[in-house]
Amino acid sequence: AQRVTQPEKLLSVFKGAPVELKCNYSYSGSPELFWYVQYSRQRLQLLLRHISRESIKGFTADLNKGETSFHLKKPFAQEEDSAMYYCALRAGGYNKLIFGAGTRLAVHP
Amino acid sequence: GAGVSQSPSNKVTEKGKDVELRCDPISGHTALYWYRQSLGQGLEFLIYFQGNSAPDKSGLPSDRFSAERTGGSVSTLTIQRTQQEDSAVYLCASSLAGGEKLFFGSGTQLSVL
Repeated sequence: AQRVTQPEKLLSVFKGAPVELKCNYSYSGSPELFWYVQYSRQRLQLLLRHISRESIKGFTADLNKGETSFHLKKPFAQEEDSAMYYCALRAGGYNKLIFGAGTRLAVHP
Repeated sequence: GAGVSQSPSNKVTEKGKDVELRCDPISGHTALYWYRQSLGQGLEFLIYFQGNSAPDKSGLPSDRFSAERTGGSVSTLTIQRTQQEDSAVYLCASSLAGGEKLFFGSGTQLSVL
């Protein structure tokens, strides 16, 4: 069965510190992984997807199939990064998107 | 429309009553999702419609929950005999067929007293 695990409910850091939001998945095939973000009083929106290998707002995420992980990283956190972050998995093609429980990132001045 | 529209934005109901939540997806999006967002539970998948295929109902928590999508566009999520544990934000999202990017609505906050 597909499963996404985000072990941290809350991650609290100071501005300028590095950030790593953890995501592990369970799926036997070739997964598609995504990170979605929800800023305060805004809609949930796509942040980045693994196949694009892109950096968005300074965030990157690398798919590690050996460790079944897709951790989200940023070298220097900013206060505006404070939000709820969700990791998501799709078993390819037209299958549904499954989300993790989410991690709230709080960046303090 | 400009985006995914959900109504009502807030719904307060009494335990045991039925409720209907509506979702208007982005025009042309063939995929439509319902999720439930609650504290501590994250984003829980409920149901997924893709074009004319049979919906994936595997996330519906009980037979009190049902959803339909008429004409491949508007969707209604119905919760019968509501319980207090049904209180949550119900989110709808749509995407192109096989699309990687889901567009979310602003949700319906359901409170069951």
